[in-house]
Amino acid sequence: QKEVEQNSGPLSVPEGAIASLNCTYSDRGSQSFFWYRQYSGKSPELIMSIYSNGDKEDGRFTAQLNKASQYVSLLIRDSQPSDSATYLCAGTGGSNYKLTFGKGTLLTVNP
Amino acid sequence: EAGVVQSPRYKIIEKKQPVAFWCNPISGHNTLYWYRQNLGQGPELLIRYENEEAVDDSQLPKDRFSAERLKGVDSTLKIQPAELGDSAVYLCASSSPPGQGGNYGYTFGSGTRLTVV
Repeated sequence: QKEVEQNSGPLSVPEGAIASLNCTYSDRGSQSFFWYRQYSGKSPELIMSIYSNGDKEDGRFTAQLNKASQYVSLLIRDSQPSDSATYLCAGTGGSNYKLTFGKGTLLTVNP
Repeated sequence: EAGVVQSPRYKIIEKKQPVAFWCNPISGHNTLYWYRQNLGQGPELLIRYENEEAVDDSQLPKDRFSAERLKGVDSTLKIQPAELGDSAVYLCASSSPPGQGGNYGYTFGSGTRLTVV
């Protein structure tokens, strides 16, 4: 079964620190990866996508992909209390639009 | 641009009763998905439509769940009869074919929180 695994957390960081969220996947055919943010009681919101090995930066967010190690991560710099949410990692393979999600990591940023 | 619209927002029913959820995807998005999210878990795919065709329903419990997407736009997901274990959030999402750069990102609706008592 194709799986996406996330460190279960919860993860707690002080305001202004770097939050590091990690994800591994089992399907070597997976090509595209996504990070979603989900506030309590809300639906998932896409915040980052990454398709190639290396880093991709968008504001305070950096996604990292290592296909050889089947590893995806999300770094949040200068963490803010408003970043407190569950972060979902998801992957898909080839032309298959199906996203497989991890269980999510709950992040709390303490003021 | 309106996002993915779902209704109802909340639903409480007794076990063995039927229930239906409705989804209107983003205009122009020909791919529509129904996901189920249990508490503390990530979303799990129930069914995927390409236009009006269900192209992946392998995870849909077909003994009690059904779905349709008439005319390739709105979609309805039905459970009959509902069981206690069906309590979850049912999420609808839509996407367009990936353009240059391969963006497969979905847009989710607000979801329907179902409680079966």
